Amino acid sequence: SAVISQKPSRDICQRGTSLTIQCQVDSQVTMMFWYRQQPGQSLTLIATANQGSEATYESGFVIDKFPISRPNLTFSTLTVSNMSPEDSSIYLCSVEDTKGGSGGTEAFFGQGTRLTVV
Amino acid sequence: QKEVEQDPGPLSVPEGAIVSLNCTYSNSAFQYFMWYRQYSRKGPELLMYTYSSGNKEDGRFTAQVDKSSKYISLFIRDSQPSDSATYLCAMSFSSASKIIFGSGTRLSIRP
Repeated sequence: SAVISQKPSRDICQRGTSLTIQCQVDSQVTMMFWYRQQPGQSLTLIATANQGSEATYESGFVIDKFPISRPNLTFSTLTVSNMSPEDSSIYLCSVEDTKGGSGGTEAFFGQGTRLTVV
Repeated sequence: QKEVEQDPGPLSVPEGAIVSLNCTYSNSAFQYFMWYRQYSRKGPELLMYTYSSGNKEDGRFTAQVDKSSKYISLFIRDSQPSDSATYLCAMSFSSASKIIFGSGTRLSIRP
């Protein structure tokens, strides 16, 4: 299993500003994932962060809006840029443990960052 | 059509009741089916995992997968107030592919 520390746990921000969310894992992992969880909506993957390369963004998400850093194998940051009220959501950092074969993959999550943009 | 559909609830039942949570999906290629539990102000945690069709039981929890109907269920027996949480179904095509989550069902167990 993996223990993930995410901060801040919550923040209230003014529109037009940016917020950087930090994610620290207690073990080295190749890939880290950033999700958005909006009320009543599915947990939506924003991007996959690989150490030493550019993050891979899902459809509907762009680097200019959600820049990601991955300086080493235990740490990543997600920035929500030029925020608007529509960015109000919970942002979650995740890592996965792939067991292989029929063992599947288990995702481990941080506690999330609850962002409110006013 | 969403890939994974899940009734958001909220669902409120008395303590001791049997709870049934369900998801439907559209892509028959999904092979791995999971249920995550998310307590308030916490990240989701894996609760149950099933590969392909069939049932899996773990204590008071039973996960069922019916691939012919593209329907998965989670049953909770003898429900407890500590089971109050949001339950998210999730599925993937392979052990290495992206996990697709449902929107979650908010469950409340009344003492």
